[in-house]
Amino acid sequence: EPEVTQTPSHQVTQMGQEVILRCVPISNHLYFYWYRQILGQKVEFLVSFYNNEISEKSEIFDDQFSVERPDGSNFTLKIRSTKLEDSAMYFCASSDVGRTNEKLFFGSGTQLSVL
Amino acid sequence: AQSVTQPDIHITVSEGASLELRCNYSYGATPYLFWYVQSPGQGLQLLLKYFSGDTLVQGIKGFEAEFKRSQSSFNLRKPSVHWSDAAEYFCAVVEAAGNKLTFGGGTRVLVKP
Repeated sequence: EPEVTQTPSHQVTQMGQEVILRCVPISNHLYFYWYRQILGQKVEFLVSFYNNEISEKSEIFDDQFSVERPDGSNFTLKIRSTKLEDSAMYFCASSDVGRTNEKLFFGSGTQLSVL
Repeated sequence: AQSVTQPDIHITVSEGASLELRCNYSYGATPYLFWYVQSPGQGLQLLLKYFSGDTLVQGIKGFEAEFKRSQSSFNLRKPSVHWSDAAEYFCAVVEAAGNKLTFGGGTRVLVKP
């Protein structure tokens, strides 16, 4: 079965540093997403991306966050100046169907720890 | 705003016993409903989904779920659990015209030998 791949699996950074979380979606998928899960809390939607632009974002996704599809295979989430509260598991997901999330595939996540 | 509640944070069940995980949602119309499972070190895997039609849906790994509109519930069941079912289970909802999932808080299932 095709997979969404995320790297690294764990990332430790100092507060104020920039981090880039990387994702390789499934090759024929067109819709891309980032979700995150702070320890002990719910999985939360961050952003969706289609046709090289953000299609929807949550209130969490402020100016410190950005997403990019720099080439035909990668999808990245950048946090410009990390804060302690950014520590979370970040999940990338992709789909070939934009609405209903019928066929949403998730990666195994990147655990980000901000010290 | 839509919300999803999973009342049980932890459930411990003996291997071979039945399992039922509760999920309640709050949404004006009929949403699209999902159950995901997350095994340790793994991503979120879709177990099953409900969009319309038969309110009892079958999923992978022997799981099923029943949509009850009157109770705003979408409970997940398995008749006989296996040790490999130990994982965290998430109920999620998306509005019919939307493309973002709203997740419940998850239920962690422990399986005793």
